[in-house]
Amino acid sequence: AQSVTQPDIHITVSEGASLELRCNYSYGATPYLFWYVQSPGQGLQLLLKYFSGDTLVQGIKGFEAEFKRSQSSFNLRKPSVHWSDAAEYFCAVGEDTGGFKTIFGAGTRLFVKA
Amino acid sequence: DVKVTQSSRYLVKRTGEKVFLECVQDMDHENMFWYRQDPGLGLRLIYFSYDVKMKEKGDIPEGYSVSREKKERFSLILESASTNQTSMYLCASSPLAGGAAPYNEQFFGPGTRLTVL
Repeated sequence: AQSVTQPDIHITVSEGASLELRCNYSYGATPYLFWYVQSPGQGLQLLLKYFSGDTLVQGIKGFEAEFKRSQSSFNLRKPSVHWSDAAEYFCAVGEDTGGFKTIFGAGTRLFVKA
Repeated sequence: DVKVTQSSRYLVKRTGEKVFLECVQDMDHENMFWYRQDPGLGLRLIYFSYDVKMKEKGDIPEGYSVSREKKERFSLILESASTNQTSMYLCASSPLAGGAAPYNEQFFGPGTRLTVL
């Protein structure tokens, strides 16, 4: 069965430091991969997505992610974190069954310290 | 600006009550979804719908039902609320996948935090 693993439940980084959030997936075919962000009290917002082509994808708010098929990973990165980036981040994989079902990871909560 | 709205941000109900959670989208999307979000578990799919009057069970449908009488509206029903249904409920919608967009992102509402006492 398809699955998404986010190994870190929470991460704390200093403002201005770089960030990498890990995501591993289990999926037989070419995956459709997403990162979503959930700010406190809000719904989820799409940061970026990967379907095919260039394995390094750019998203909103200065985020990027790299698809590595050999490692079944889709890690999210940002070179310099801002205090407003404090939120929960979800990695997700879309099942190729007509676009109906998305499997979400458990989430990683990011804390930013001054 | 695309929008998914949910009828309540916070709801407190008693065990055994019938609970209705409403979701409306203004993007003319075909697909709509109901998830529950619990700490450490991420989002789990309860039900989804790909057309009016159509519904499919997700991963955790027990204790829930849904209704989609109009394209823009998708309702989640707890027939007899129980304390283990205390959770954050998220509604989402997405357009039909196909062509240049083989798999479409989902657009989420702000969520309803339901407490069952």
